[in-house]
Amino acid sequence: DQQVKQNSPSLSVQEGRISILNCDYTNSMFDYFLWYKKYPAEGPTFLISISSIKDKNEDGRFTVFLNKSAKHLSLHIVPSQPGDSAVYFCAASGNQFYFGTGTSLTVIP
Amino acid sequence: KAGVTQTPRYLIKTRGQQVTLSCSPISGHRSVSWYQQTPGQGLQFLFEYFSETQRNKGNFPGRFSGRQFSNSRSEMNVSTLELGDSALYLCASSSRLAGPYNEQFFGPGTRLTVL
Repeated sequence: DQQVKQNSPSLSVQEGRISILNCDYTNSMFDYFLWYKKYPAEGPTFLISISSIKDKNEDGRFTVFLNKSAKHLSLHIVPSQPGDSAVYFCAASGNQFYFGTGTSLTVIP
Repeated sequence: KAGVTQTPRYLIKTRGQQVTLSCSPISGHRSVSWYQQTPGQGLQFLFEYFSETQRNKGNFPGRFSGRQFSNSRSEMNVSTLELGDSALYLCASSSRLAGPYNEQFFGPGTRLTVL
């Protein structure tokens, strides 16, 4: 039972444009959400997080939006750069971390 | 600070064998979690250890087990390997004492192939 879902396995974006990665969750008890980035042959690295008491958190080019009523969060990357090409996982925190299946982002120069 | 290390990085085994994977967390981190990553399934939580005690367990069969030592290093063991156990096994450490709010730091993973 996948409690965190990333329905887009892949996304391609032109350099300089906005990348929007989406994530849906089912458990309304989740109170903390994170995004991780993963390059091939490396473990995931933490990118940005948001508490359920907020609806937006920004860190440089990365912004995470949380819509609790829709149980949806998104990661915006502006402007997108070729080095952002990686697999992005969203995660929700309950008694453990629940991860989505990942979205592979390709930023085209 | 040294990151999370995992050994070995690659492993090839045959069905029916058993395997032990090792993880050394970041110094000072007492929580170690294990995940299985397969294509299309994302990261599936296996278990979490904190101060040598298993604190949480995911939905995996009993063939998957783990332990944590007093120095916080952790091992996971898979017995009677099946083809479907082929995956990337990731270890993550965190400083969390209580509650899930601290980020996890991942190691590079162990790529297990079962033939």
